[in-house]
Amino acid sequence: GENVEQHPSTLSVQEGDSAVIKCTYSDSASNYFPWYKQELGKGPQLIIDIRSNVGEKKDQRIAVTLNKTAKHFSLHITETQPEDSAVYFCAAEFGNEKLTFGTGTRLTIIP
Amino acid sequence: DAMVIQNPRYQVTQFGKPVTLSCSQTLNHNVMYWYQQKSSQAPKLLFHYYDKDFNNEADTPDNFQSRRPNTSFCFLDIRSPGLGDAAMYLCATSRDQGAYSPLHFGNGTRLTVT
Repeated sequence: GENVEQHPSTLSVQEGDSAVIKCTYSDSASNYFPWYKQELGKGPQLIIDIRSNVGEKKDQRIAVTLNKTAKHFSLHITETQPEDSAVYFCAAEFGNEKLTFGTGTRLTIIP
Repeated sequence: DAMVIQNPRYQVTQFGKPVTLSCSQTLNHNVMYWYQQKSSQAPKLLFHYYDKDFNNEADTPDNFQSRRPNTSFCFLDIRSPGLGDAAMYLCATSRDQGAYSPLHFGNGTRLTVT
């Protein structure tokens, strides 16, 4: 079935260092991979997404890479700041146009 | 600002007492979704509306119902809440379905069942 695995489940990073979160998916037909950030007491907010015809996408300190052959994609946050602390969810859209979410990564930035 | 608004933010109900959660949107999006999110878990899709067309997920319990009286509003009805239904309920919208229509989430309603 449709499955998205996300690692690690928790991640602590010193402020200013980089953070990397990785996801793998099961369906090679998947073609859309968004990342959501969920702050405490709020709903998830889209921070970046990538489509299958692109290998990498950047938006300031955030980047996403996609390896379709290996069926994995990663979120990279550089120069981390305290406001980056949140739970991050990857997701993959399968052929039925529905998103399946990963299990989430709780990122803590240590000042 | 165009938004997805959920009311109330916190809802307490008694075991077995029906409860309704509401969602409104100013984005004029075609699709509205209801997700259930339990502590430290990923959001789980319950159902969605594409315009007036209702789409239920296969594993959504019959206890959960939804109504969408117009484009802007969508309701989640829990007919007989059990303790296991305590969760955050997230409403989301998208302009359309598919890869070119990202989800826009509200801030959720946290449901407590006593």
